Amino acid sequence: AQSVAQPEDQVNVAEGNPLTVKCTYSVSGNPYLFWYVQYPNRGLQFLLKYITGDNLVKGSYGFEAEFNKSQTSFHLKKPSALVSDSALYFCAVRHNAGNNRKLIWGLGTSLAVNP
Amino acid sequence: EAQVTQNPRYLITVTGKKLTVTCSQNMNHEYMSWYRQDPGLGLRQIYYSMNVEVTDKGDVPEGYKVSRKEKRNFPLILESPSPNQTSLYFCASSLRPGTGARIDNSPLHFGNGTRLTVT
Repeated sequence: AQSVAQPEDQVNVAEGNPLTVKCTYSVSGNPYLFWYVQYPNRGLQFLLKYITGDNLVKGSYGFEAEFNKSQTSFHLKKPSALVSDSALYFCAVRHNAGNNRKLIWGLGTSLAVNP
Repeated sequence: EAQVTQNPRYLITVTGKKLTVTCSQNMNHEYMSWYRQDPGLGLRQIYYSMNVEVTDKGDVPEGYKVSRKEKRNFPLILESPSPNQTSLYFCASSLRPGTGARIDNSPLHFGNGTRLTVT
C-alpha cells in the first residue's frame, strides 16, 4: 500500500541549531515528493518539491530537502532554525495512478524551536 | 492577491441542520479539493474536482456533498451534520494535476480553514 511516514510526532531544536524533519515513503513507480508547512490558525503552505534531477532541493524560508531513493526518504532540513519556524510540517507524495493524482499525506511533525 | 478563501472560519451548529462551507479561488485553477484534518489522522481528502461539473469522491466522502458549477467556487455541503463531522476543514486548489501519463506537479494552495463543531 502507498504510504508516507513521519516517524516523529514532535521535534525540538534550539534556535540557531540545524533541524531535520524526517519523512519516508512507500509508493510504486517514481514518487513526486512535497513538503508543506502549517502555521497556527492557517492553511498549509507549499515549501518545496522533488520531481526529478538533483537530490537536494531548495525551497522557501531557507528550507531544503534531500531525496534518497535507496532509503526512500525525503527529509526536510534547515541549517539554522528560527523561532518563527515553529509549526506543523507535512510530507506528501503523489504517485502516477488514476485521475485523482491525489497526494498521500504523512501525519505531520510538530516542530518547536526554542529561543 | 492569489488566494483560496473559505467561509466561515468558525462554525458551531447542531446535529441535522444543513450547512454549506464556501470556497473560492482567484487563480483560475482547474483542480479543487476538500480535506478534513483531525488529530492523529492527518489530512484526509473528502471530495475533489478536476474541472467544472467534474467531481469525485475522495477517501472520506460519506455525509458530504460538493458542486462545481463555476471554476472558482467549490462549496462543501453537509446535508445533515453529525458530531463525527466536527473537524477542521480545508479547501485547496491547483493547476490541473495531470491526466494519463503526465503529472502536473503544481503545488496545492490552501484556504485558512473552517473549524466546524457539531453538537
